[in-house]
Amino acid sequence: DSGVTQTPKHLITATGQRVTLRCSPRSGDLSVYWYQQSLDQGLQFLIQYYNGEERAKGNILERFSAQQFPDLHSELNLSSLELGDSALYFCASSPGTGTDTQYFGPGTRLTVL
Amino acid sequence: GQNIDQPTEMTATEGAIVQINCTYQTSGFNGLFWYQQHAGEAPTFLSYNVLDGLEEKGRFSSFLSRSKGYSYLLLKELQMKDSASYLCAVPIPNRGSTLGRLYFGRGTQLTVWP
Repeated sequence: DSGVTQTPKHLITATGQRVTLRCSPRSGDLSVYWYQQSLDQGLQFLIQYYNGEERAKGNILERFSAQQFPDLHSELNLSSLELGDSALYFCASSPGTGTDTQYFGPGTRLTVL
Repeated sequence: GQNIDQPTEMTATEGAIVQINCTYQTSGFNGLFWYQQHAGEAPTFLSYNVLDGLEEKGRFSSFLSRSKGYSYLLLKELQMKDSASYLCAVPIPNRGSTLGRLYFGRGTQLTVWP
């Protein structure tokens, strides 16, 4: 158990819908990262937050957005869902200082039908 | 930019030793990570190398050569449970974190046979 929690574990929805994925980082970690993993793309970085502020963006679609709240939990919002958005979405957290190793949550498996 | 190359698949026998190679190109080196990922599960941290040489941690060891842009993960006394994908990754620092986001290779799928 990495100490990072994600909900829900599985999500099945239809095209055009909107979903919210939630992540709680390890105690004391200030940085939260979101990654997408699909069969044909591998693990791809989406976005990073540090202590409530956005710090880095990857190839995140405009239909996707995220935020980190004062209690440091983070949410990833995916809207106007397409079949190709079906993937595993992982959240990772790190201290933001020192060795800064990222520890991953169990992921949310999103299926868009 | 960044680029990471790893073999796609490897097979080995229980009890054997296997070496998984990773070559990388990155603008500005800040160390190299290895993660293990079982199918459908989260990547789990194995090692982080920032200096040249071999670091041993139980059955797993990781080696780094910064001048050659090369790393390997050495797994000894293989067990069936070691069947997994092994991911090589380099950090890309940014404001607000020491190491920043990770750029991952596509992973090496290791199958351990009895």
